[in-house]
Amino acid sequence: SQTIHQWPATLVQPVGSPLSLECTVEGTSNPNLYWYRQAAGRGLQLLFYSVGIGQISSEVPQNLSASRPQDRQFILSSKKLLLSDSGFYLCAWSVRAGLGYTFGSGTRLTVV
Amino acid sequence: AQSVTQPDIHITVSEGASLELRCNYSYGATPYLFWYVQSPGQGLQLLLKYFSGDTLVQGIKGFEAEFKRSQSSFNLRKPSVHWSDAAEYFCAVALPTSGTYKYIFGTGTRLKVLA
Repeated sequence: SQTIHQWPATLVQPVGSPLSLECTVEGTSNPNLYWYRQAAGRGLQLLFYSVGIGQISSEVPQNLSASRPQDRQFILSSKKLLLSDSGFYLCAWSVRAGLGYTFGSGTRLTVV
Repeated sequence: AQSVTQPDIHITVSEGASLELRCNYSYGATPYLFWYVQSPGQGLQLLLKYFSGDTLVQGIKGFEAEFKRSQSSFNLRKPSVHWSDAAEYFCAVALPTSGTYKYIFGTGTRLKVLA
């Protein structure tokens, strides 16, 4: 069966520090991969999605970037964190057609 | 622009009472609709989905939702709420984009269940 892993579960980082959040999927090939951010009272916002290795689509211009170095690996990064980057980050995957996400357990990022 | 509205930020019900969570969407074509549930500090779990066909869909944990095209709504219901249903609920519509679908989520409804 397919599983999705996200780590770390929680992270506290100072302003200006770099960020790397990792997401991996097991048990499937060629998944579509997504990064969402959930801010308090604002629902979930799509940040990036990828339909293949090296293919990244950005939904919202911001301080973050994403990469997909391997088929089942999706990385969210920042060179210098801002206070406004705090939030709950969720990775998700879907089959090629794209309908029906499965979410990871999320990473709670606090920038101090 | 496409959007999903969940008008109730918080809802409180007594255990055993019925529940209805509202969701309205704005989308020109036939929508693909979803309800997800999120427990505190956790990811999202799919409750049910509507793609086509019967407008009343059944999901997990005793939930159901009804798609009403004329009202652009996809309300979630449960006849008898259990204390374990306390969580945050998100409605979403899937929009086709380059090679995949992206989800537009509502802002969520937080459900509190009184014993």
